[in-house]
Amino acid sequence: AQKITQTQPGMFVQEKEAVTLDCTYDTSDQSYGLFWYKQPSSGEMIFLIYQGSYDEQNATEGRYSLNFQKARKSANLVISASQLGDSAMYFCAMREGLSGSARQLTFGSGTQLTVLP
Amino acid sequence: GAVVSQHPSRVICKSGTSVKIECRSLDFQATTMFWYRQFPKQSLMLMATSNEGSKATYEQGVEKDKFLINHASLTLSTLTVTSAHPEDSSFYICSARPQTDEQFFGPGTRLTVL
Repeated sequence: AQKITQTQPGMFVQEKEAVTLDCTYDTSDQSYGLFWYKQPSSGEMIFLIYQGSYDEQNATEGRYSLNFQKARKSANLVISASQLGDSAMYFCAMREGLSGSARQLTFGSGTQLTVLP
Repeated sequence: GAVVSQHPSRVICKSGTSVKIECRSLDFQATTMFWYRQFPKQSLMLMATSNEGSKATYEQGVEKDKFLINHASLTLSTLTVTSAHPEDSSFYICSARPQTDEQFFGPGTRLTVL
């Protein structure tokens, strides 16, 4: 079974509007971390936001917020006030295990976001 | 913030040659480094996990004799693609992990094997 599922291969949003990128995950661990990365066409992976499984508050970083619904095992990324520079591939990722563990990240298949002027 | 560099950023080689890719953590010590491979329009697939001073742990289906990984110091890991073939053409990305939860990614290396 897929550990990280991103069901939207591509998304379009009008500039200045908000957009939600979906991510669901599957784990039996109680401790895990959820990450979102942005990958522009240049290829670099840019860290956006992190949510720990025990964090009670939804994570926020500037225009990025993570809608964490633990019971549903979803960790959707919300980008507010979209900008043209937000056009990129977005990956959701999970690290299972306790904080500080050496476990690797497992990535979803990604969502290609295009911001329209 | 933490910076990870990769060298080279782009390499073109002939089939049958070996290519070495370096991954360096510039301002922190990385006890663990990860090597990923990404085909066009696809996700990152973990190839191997390397810890300083020990043998790398390879993911299922990744040939350890073809993709040699050396994590010689806390700031350097190398991936050598031996006897490269056109099907090895891909985007290779490393990431380095200090003692915290974050992983810091390198800018990637685009390998083209002719």
